[in-house]
Amino acid sequence: QSALTQSASVSGSPGQSITISCTGTSSDIGSYNLVSWYQQHPGKAPKLMIFEGSKRPSGISNRFSGSKSGNTASLTISGLQAEDEADYYCCSFAGSSTWVFGGGTKLTVL
Amino acid sequence: EVQLVESGGGLVQPGGSLRLSCAASGFTFSAYDMHWVRQAPGKGLEWVSGIGTGNDAYYLGSVKGRFTISRENAKNSLYLQMNSLRAGDTAVYYCARASGTYYEFDYWGQGTLVTVSS
Repeated sequence: QSALTQSASVSGSPGQSITISCTGTSSDIGSYNLVSWYQQHPGKAPKLMIFEGSKRPSGISNRFSGSKSGNTASLTISGLQAEDEADYYCCSFAGSSTWVFGGGTKLTVL
Repeated sequence: EVQLVESGGGLVQPGGSLRLSCAASGFTFSAYDMHWVRQAPGKGLEWVSGIGTGNDAYYLGSVKGRFTISRENAKNSLYLQMNSLRAGDTAVYYCARASGTYYEFDYWGQGTLVTVSS
């Protein structure tokens, strides 16, 4: 299966909101409400931020929210903070016990 | 505290083999599906393989027939046997636990680097 499509980079100033989009197909995002989002700081392991499209794991700030429409999922970060600067990856269940990730979006906090 | 610690990475020639291990602690290992996810240098994440609690195994198409995932619940360990390695397999390999709802990865190890080069 092909990787999900994410924009390469996004930026915002502290306090602002940004949205990262993730486009898939009717075989992955469009078929399942099973999109997850991961934050990865340089040299570190990924961290789960959103699961099942819009749910937050325990301990994740409510500044992070997720949504889905058709074949596209979105991650919104409100009230941007310096520590939010990282790479963000979407991931979708793709059926037949396989998963597909997006190419990643680099978030820069100006 | 959940911990996942990978080992076994290194430099291997094209066509060679390597076995990765992931030592798990802090949770009931036998009750969770486990996965391997890799990240080529400077690139994005790529799901590689997963194994269920019943030892059902699943693979990325490009590694099917070359990689074998397994688990040893008595040792709280996950493995990835990698054969016929190619330059394109060069990556940091992460061990990840599937959450209780199966479809996301809630804990990750720090990764082990596999370099395939002559």
